[in-house]
Amino acid sequence: AQSVTQLDSQVPVFEEAPVELRCNYSSSVSVYLFWYVQYPNQGLQLLLKYLSGSTLVKGINGFEAEFNKSQTSFHLRKPSVHISDTAEYFCAVSRTRGGSNYKLTFGKGTLLTVNP
Amino acid sequence: KAGVTQTPRYLIKTRGQQVTLSCSPISGHRSVSWYQQTPGQGLQFLFEYFSETQRNKGNFPGRFSGRQFSNSRSEMNVSTLELGDSALYLCASSATSGGGGEQFFGPGTRLTVL
Repeated sequence: AQSVTQLDSQVPVFEEAPVELRCNYSSSVSVYLFWYVQYPNQGLQLLLKYLSGSTLVKGINGFEAEFNKSQTSFHLRKPSVHISDTAEYFCAVSRTRGGSNYKLTFGKGTLLTVNP
Repeated sequence: KAGVTQTPRYLIKTRGQQVTLSCSPISGHRSVSWYQQTPGQGLQFLFEYFSETQRNKGNFPGRFSGRQFSNSRSEMNVSTLELGDSALYLCASSATSGGGGEQFFGPGTRLTVL
């Protein structure tokens, strides 16, 4: 089974400051890694994903994440945040093969609040 | 292309009733997954359908069921509603049958059980 831990439930930050949202995972098999964003009263939108290859992944809206296999981490970063980045962010994993490899296992989420 | 649509967006039911939620995937997508989102438990996988077959089910009681039609539209049903079933139910569709493919989420149906 897989599990995902998002180390911070809330992260307040000022506009134009850098931000890092932390994610650690546990799995006995190889996994794909994802970050999703959820704005109020909306569904989830994919920010970026790591399937293979370069461990630094760039996504939409200026976000990037780095896969660290030895530390089983996939932290999300943005060098300069905007008010519009205020949302809840979810880290997720899925198995790369085998049964139920389409199933996403999510962390509990991190609420990013960007203050003016 | 139209996104994933879910109907209704909001529902209020009372304990003991049953409810049916609908999900229309993106045109051409054959995989539909359902997730329950609550403040306490977060996002939890309910089940996934591909080409009208349920391929996997999460750890939910038998009161939760679903189906997929030949046009890939999916419904989920919850019978004998309990207060704890109050949640946002999210549907996601994918073009691929395996892992790694992007799942596109709908806006969700917010179910309130009184």
